[in-house]
Amino acid sequence: RKEVEQDPGPFNVPEGATVAFNCTYSNSASQSFFWYRQDCRKEPKLLMSVYSSGNEDGRFTAQLNRASQYISLLIRDSKLSDSATYLCVVNDAGGTSYGKLTFGQGTILTVHP
Amino acid sequence: DTGVSQDPRHKITKRGQNVTFRCDPISEHNRLYWYRQTLGQGPEFLTYFQNEAQLEKSRLLSDRFSAERPKGSFSTLEIQRTEQGDSAMYLCASTKGRYEQYFGPGTRLTVT
Repeated sequence: RKEVEQDPGPFNVPEGATVAFNCTYSNSASQSFFWYRQDCRKEPKLLMSVYSSGNEDGRFTAQLNRASQYISLLIRDSKLSDSATYLCVVNDAGGTSYGKLTFGQGTILTVHP
Repeated sequence: DTGVSQDPRHKITKRGQNVTFRCDPISEHNRLYWYRQTLGQGPEFLTYFQNEAQLEKSRLLSDRFSAERPKGSFSTLEIQRTEQGDSAMYLCASTKGRYEQYFGPGTRLTVT
């Protein structure tokens, strides 16, 4: 079983649509959670951190359910510029793991006119 | 540009050759990570430095791979006797804290 699992998609949605991505992680001791965005042939960039209380940044809402080991990202009112790969990321910052990031395989989103 | 830089951006080499990549982290960042990303997959952790000390290595890092960070600033990743399976994007990331990591643009390696 992979440490971080995502539906690879691809998701093809029209502009203005709402789209949700899900992710599960296997290490119950994981401490920090993120969504990164990666454009084609570019480096990953932090989109947002994910907290148990849920957090929102404009059109983006992230949720964490520690009991179910489940992370989600909701994008409302999709824009063409949202087209990218979205990476679910876990940081096992406790113990001796030294903060390495464990990535899911990514979910490809294409927003079309 | 004050971000993470990597050199070269692209490298094409023949199987069996040695290659070396360089990463220059953000100047005040003491933690430096190397990751490898193949097509259709997320990045995978290779190794971690805190200042000049290499504190963690992945099982992915075979004995053909070696990494250094001699003065706690830039880092190098060397692959000896390259194989076609080494073809990937090699990403470097740095951080000052324990959470957000800033990635460089990567070095894309193609082994022919």
